[in-house]
Amino acid sequence: DAKTTQPNSMESNEEEPVHLPCNHSTISGTDYIHWYRQLPSQGPEYVIHGLTSNVNNRMASLAIAEDRKSSTLILHRATLRDAAVYYCILREYNYGQNFVFGPGTRLSVLP
Amino acid sequence: ETGVTQSPTHLIKTRGQQVTLRCSSQSGHNTVSWYQQALGQGPQFIFQYYREEENGRGNFPPRFSGLQFPNYSSELNVNALELDDSALYLCASSSGTSGSSYNEQFFGPGTRLTVL
Repeated sequence: DAKTTQPNSMESNEEEPVHLPCNHSTISGTDYIHWYRQLPSQGPEYVIHGLTSNVNNRMASLAIAEDRKSSTLILHRATLRDAAVYYCILREYNYGQNFVFGPGTRLSVLP
Repeated sequence: ETGVTQSPTHLIKTRGQQVTLRCSSQSGHNTVSWYQQALGQGPQFIFQYYREEENGRGNFPPRFSGLQFPNYSSELNVNALELDDSALYLCASSSGTSGSSYNEQFFGPGTRLTVL
């Protein structure tokens, strides 16, 4: 299984940008990079995903390194509601396979 | 549009008992996946159902079994409960053909199972 490495925890101040790194040196050519987050007492929720090019949506931006061995989730202005565990996941392109979650990064947002 | 719902919210069982957890998928979704999340860890994939058939399984013993119904709702059954089965059980639904890298998964709030 392709694996990802993330810092255990990060801290940010409210209304400041946050850069959450993820290393995936064994990524294969058909693996998509997905980010999910899990707010307290909730199931994970989709944030963003991409393959090679940088991606933007209303929640965040995803910057993917040229060699695809790392990526960064960018929250442009952190709010208290963004405090969550963020998971970087490689989606294996095998029939019937699902997300392989690591322990993720616990993001704390300080007021 | 109704999201993914799970029942019950919480459940307490004793070792050796059997339990059934239920999941209603989001409208229009034909694929349901189940995950186990131990405290402080990421979710671990149990299995997936696509159009009423199991089409993928993680590293879980056969006492973990499931069903998917024609309306795409699903059940997770666990027999001979062990203390280590205490966890949050998450159901996720998605649409389209299983195996695609494009399909966003929509998770329910989970069922918290405690085994005493």
